[in-house]
Amino acid sequence: GQNIDQPTEMTATEGAIVQINCTYQTSGFNGLFWYQQHAGEAPTFLSYNVLDGLEEKGRFSSFLSRSKGYSYLLLKELQMKDSASYLCALLVDKLIFGTGTRLQVFP
Amino acid sequence: DVKVTQSSRYLVKRTGEKVFLECVQDMDHENMFWYRQDPGLGLRLIYFSYDVKMKEKGDIPEGYSVSREKKERFSLILESASTNQTSMYLCASSFVGGGRGEQYFGPGTRLTVT
Repeated sequence: GQNIDQPTEMTATEGAIVQINCTYQTSGFNGLFWYQQHAGEAPTFLSYNVLDGLEEKGRFSSFLSRSKGYSYLLLKELQMKDSASYLCALLVDKLIFGTGTRLQVFP
Repeated sequence: DVKVTQSSRYLVKRTGEKVFLECVQDMDHENMFWYRQDPGLGLRLIYFSYDVKMKEKGDIPEGYSVSREKKERFSLILESASTNQTSMYLCASSFVGGGRGEQYFGPGTRLTVT
C-alpha cells in the first residue's frame, strides 16, 4: 500500500516562507499532487510533480524526489488567506490522499 | 468557470433511511468520484466511474452504491443509512489519463444520520 505522512499542524507568520513536507512509501506512482482546502470548503488543486525537481506556480512551489520518497510544498510571502489545510496525494490508479497539514498564518 | 455541484450542503437523515446524494459537473469530464472526509482520516474514496454506466469500488464501498446514467451526473446511494455514515461527502470529477490527478471538487454535503 501507500503510506503518506504529513505534519498535522504548522504555524507561520504573514510574509514568511513555509515548507510543508510529505513523505511516502510506495512501489510506484504516476504523480504527486498538492491540494488546498479552506475550512468548510472543498479541496482545490494547487500543483503536481511527475518528475523529480521543482515546479513553480507564483507564490507556491512543489518539489519531488522519488528516490528519497519525499515531496514538499513551499509557500512564499505568506498571506492570511493561506491559512488552510494542505493535502498531499499520490496518483496510482486513483488518488491516495494524506490526512493533510493544517497551516495557520498569524499577523 | 468549471463547476461541480452537489444537491445539498447539509442533510439530516434517520437510521435505516435510503439516502441519495447527487453530483453534477459541467466540464464534460469522463471521471467522477465520491469521497468521504472525516477528521484524522482524510479523504477516502468510496466509488468512482470512468464512463457512463461504469463504476469501480474505491477503498470503502461497503454500505454504498452508485449510479451513472449520464456523463455529467454521478449519484451516491446509502441503501440503509447508519450513524457511522455521518460524514462530509465530496464529489469530484476529472479528465482521463494524465489529467485524472487534477480533480475538481464540489462544495460537499455534510450528512448527519441520527
